[in-house]
Amino acid sequence: AQSVTQPDIHITVSEGASLELRCNYSYGATPYLFWYVQSPGQGLQLLLKYFSGDTLVQGIKGFEAEFKRSQSSFNLRKPSVHWSDAAEYFCAVGRRGFQKLVFGTGTRLLVSP
Amino acid sequence: NAGVTQTPKFQVLKTGQSMTLQCAQDMNHNSMYWYRQDPGMGLRLIYYSASEGTTDKGEVPNGYNVSRLNKREFSLRLESAAPSQTSVYFCASSEGQGASNEKLFFGSGTQLSVL
Repeated sequence: AQSVTQPDIHITVSEGASLELRCNYSYGATPYLFWYVQSPGQGLQLLLKYFSGDTLVQGIKGFEAEFKRSQSSFNLRKPSVHWSDAAEYFCAVGRRGFQKLVFGTGTRLLVSP
Repeated sequence: NAGVTQTPKFQVLKTGQSMTLQCAQDMNHNSMYWYRQDPGMGLRLIYYSASEGTTDKGEVPNGYNVSRLNKREFSLRLESAAPSQTSVYFCASSEGQGASNEKLFFGSGTQLSVL
């Protein structure tokens, strides 16, 4: 069965510092991979997605993620975090339609001044 | 540019009461979804509707019913609310069912408490 693990429940990063959020997955084939962000009181917004091709994917708001098949990982990165990036981030995996999408438990990002 | 609109935003129910969560999208999307979000868990799919006139169970359908009223609207009904249904509910929509050029659009959620 497919699954997604986000090992960090909370992460605190200083404003201006770099960020890496971890996502590991279990899937029988090469999956479609997604990162979503949820700001307080809001629904989820797609940051980026990987379907095929280049394993380094660029997204909105300066985020990027790298698909590493050998490590079954799809970590999210940002070189310099802004206070407005404080939110909860969800990794998701699936291939056979949105109804089969599996979400991770989320990582809450706190940004300190 | 409304996108996906959910009502109400907050609701408190007593055990055994019923209620309907409303969802509407103005993007002419074919597919719509209802998720619940619980602390320490990812979003879990309750029901979805691949197209107008069809509905299918997701991962956690027990205790819920849905109606795809038309292409725009997809409602979620709790017939007899239970404390275990305390959660944040999200509606989402997509043009199709998940092709590589598609994405899910989410509403801002309904926070439901069942006492």
